[in-house]
Amino acid sequence: SQTIHQWPATLVQPVGSPLSLECTVEGTSNPNLYWYRQAAGRGLQLLFYSVGIGQISSEVPQNLSASRPQDRQFILSSKKLLLSDSGFYLCAWRTKGGGQETQYFGPGTRLLVL
Amino acid sequence: GDSVTQMEGPVTLSEEAFLTINCTYTATGYPSLFWYVQYPGEGLQLLLKATKADDKGSNKGFEATYRKETTSFHLEKGSVQVSDSAVYFCALVNNNAGNMLTFGGGTRLMVKP
Repeated sequence: SQTIHQWPATLVQPVGSPLSLECTVEGTSNPNLYWYRQAAGRGLQLLFYSVGIGQISSEVPQNLSASRPQDRQFILSSKKLLLSDSGFYLCAWRTKGGGQETQYFGPGTRLLVL
Repeated sequence: GDSVTQMEGPVTLSEEAFLTINCTYTATGYPSLFWYVQYPGEGLQLLLKATKADDKGSNKGFEATYRKETTSFHLEKGSVQVSDSAVYFCALVNNNAGNMLTFGGGTRLMVKP
């Protein structure tokens, strides 16, 4: 069966520090991968998606970047965190044959930037 | 662009009470509509969906009807249980506009015994 892992579950970081959030998927190959963020009081916003290794599409301009060094690994990074980067970050995957609604979501990482 | 608006929570109900969580959307064309549920410590799961006007999605006792005239997709359940306590997200996919999921802000439901 397929599973998706995200870590850490909770992270508190100072402003200006770097960030690396990792997401890995098991039990499938060549998935589409997604990073979402939910800021306080707002809906889930798509940040990045990837259809293959090294292929990253950005949906909104921001302080973050994403990379896909391996088929089932998706990393969200920042060189210098801002207060506005605080939020709940969700990773998701789906098979290429399925509709967008068939995305499977990880448990999320809650990031607090102080 | 497309958007989804949900009622703000938390919604607190007693067990066996009737649940309604309102959801309205703005989109061009004919989007597909979804409800997701996130139980504590878990990822979002697709709860139900409707792909065209007047369709009713249903699952686990929850229902929602695609109302194009009111651009709404309200989630209902006749008798909630403590185990229904979770965060509920309304979402849409618009094949005419990028074909990506657009989510509402989520509504936290708390059911007390």
